[in-house]
Amino acid sequence: QSALTQPRSVSGSPGQSVTISCTGTSNDVGGYNYVSWYQQYPGKAPKFMIYDVTKRVSGVPDRFSGSKSGNTASLTISGLQADDEADYFCCSYAGSDTFWVFGGGTRLTVL
Amino acid sequence: EVQLLESGGGLIQPGGSLRLSCAASGFTFSSYAMSWVRQAPGKGLEWVSTITAGGGSTFYADSAKGRFSISRDNSKSALFLEVDSLRAEDTALYYCAKGGWRPAGGFDPWGQGTLVTVSS
Repeated sequence: QSALTQPRSVSGSPGQSVTISCTGTSNDVGGYNYVSWYQQYPGKAPKFMIYDVTKRVSGVPDRFSGSKSGNTASLTISGLQADDEADYFCCSYAGSDTFWVFGGGTRLTVL
Repeated sequence: EVQLLESGGGLIQPGGSLRLSCAASGFTFSSYAMSWVRQAPGKGLEWVSTITAGGGSTFYADSAKGRFSISRDNSKSALFLEVDSLRAEDTALYYCAKGGWRPAGGFDPWGQGTLVTVSS
């Protein structure tokens, strides 16, 4: 069982928006503004997308945005496109003892 | 272009050992912390270990403490993970990734991974 909780799957139609949640505790997501998001296509390595909760990696479309409220971080993808269909993982810093925790991943299906 | 290429995985019996390697290129390897992250088949990602740029400090997930050892050779731009006393639950694709020591930022980029299968 992963430390951070993500929905197993979400879906949306092209052009729509979807939000993927990532719920932790005050020891990780809620305690630090160091949440990152990764996109992973089947059989491929994860790709760094969002860091420090809201900052987009260079080259990532502004359709991707991150936010946080309390112990839950969120990734919102607007204007869904077919090639957004992938797995998305969240990650949070969890202090100098635990260091890093990941979510179990969310499969995004573009209908 | 930054590239990370892992090797050393394979089929190993429970209790066995392996040495995973990660060859880095395209950046000043000695200036960056490096990490190992694993992914069990069909499962999520799990941080395993991080080593600082100079190699002076190492950090481990609870699941790796006492059994895994991270190291690096900056003269060869290489990262290593010695994995001992392997268990079935260690079966996973092991990725090396740049970063992971500073709380800010993230892991970027990642290699393609090397598969470790623990089975009798």
